[in-house]
Amino acid sequence: EAQVTQNPRYLITVTGKKLTVTCSQNMNHEYMSWYRQDPGLGLRQIYYSMNVEVTDKGDVPEGYKVSRKEKRNFPLILESPSPNQTSLYFCASSLFAGTSYNEQFFGPGTRLTVL
Amino acid sequence: TQLLEQSPQFLSIQEGENLTVYCNSSSVFSSLQWYRQEPGEGPVLLVTVVTGGEVKKLKRLTFQFGDARKDSSLHITAAQPGDTGLYLCAGANAGGTSYGKLTFGQGTILTVHP
Repeated sequence: EAQVTQNPRYLITVTGKKLTVTCSQNMNHEYMSWYRQDPGLGLRQIYYSMNVEVTDKGDVPEGYKVSRKEKRNFPLILESPSPNQTSLYFCASSLFAGTSYNEQFFGPGTRLTVL
Repeated sequence: TQLLEQSPQFLSIQEGENLTVYCNSSSVFSSLQWYRQEPGEGPVLLVTVVTGGEVKKLKRLTFQFGDARKDSSLHITAAQPGDTGLYLCAGANAGGTSYGKLTFGQGTILTVHP
């Protein structure tokens, strides 16, 4: 089944404790992206990747890191989480990076709480 | 930073009514997408509009892209309880410094009562 998977789905952690949220897609998609969703703010793009070893900042990259060492995986790293990073996080992928209007397939989301 | 203003934020209507959701920006987008999201799930694409003035229909849903490619609307005819959900518009760029970025509106929470 074609899908985007995220782990964990739920995470409660404390300020300053490094964490990684994994994202994997099995559709051979070139483009992958991370978003955070907060009430009243919609989805805001954190980082995106056009292909392996190519990553770019979205609108809210502060406090986050990403890597794209292989096509299928795009982990989101929070080196020192803070309470303002409490949010619902979505990973997404799409087939081509070369055009602007490809359908993005979203993962099920990761609900992160930073105490 | 490009912004997409979506309105209204909340919409509560009775089954059978019509409604329109608007998505406006001062920026030009190369394409505009509409997604629907249900609780506990990620957004799912409904439609992509690319050409200024384009109109697309998906059963009872009609999507329009403004002539200047700065705004879009979603119109639902005879809404049904199954239409309940969060609707999101998203603008995409194909070039310049924003290449690859996707900007989402704040979303419209639609509730259709039986």
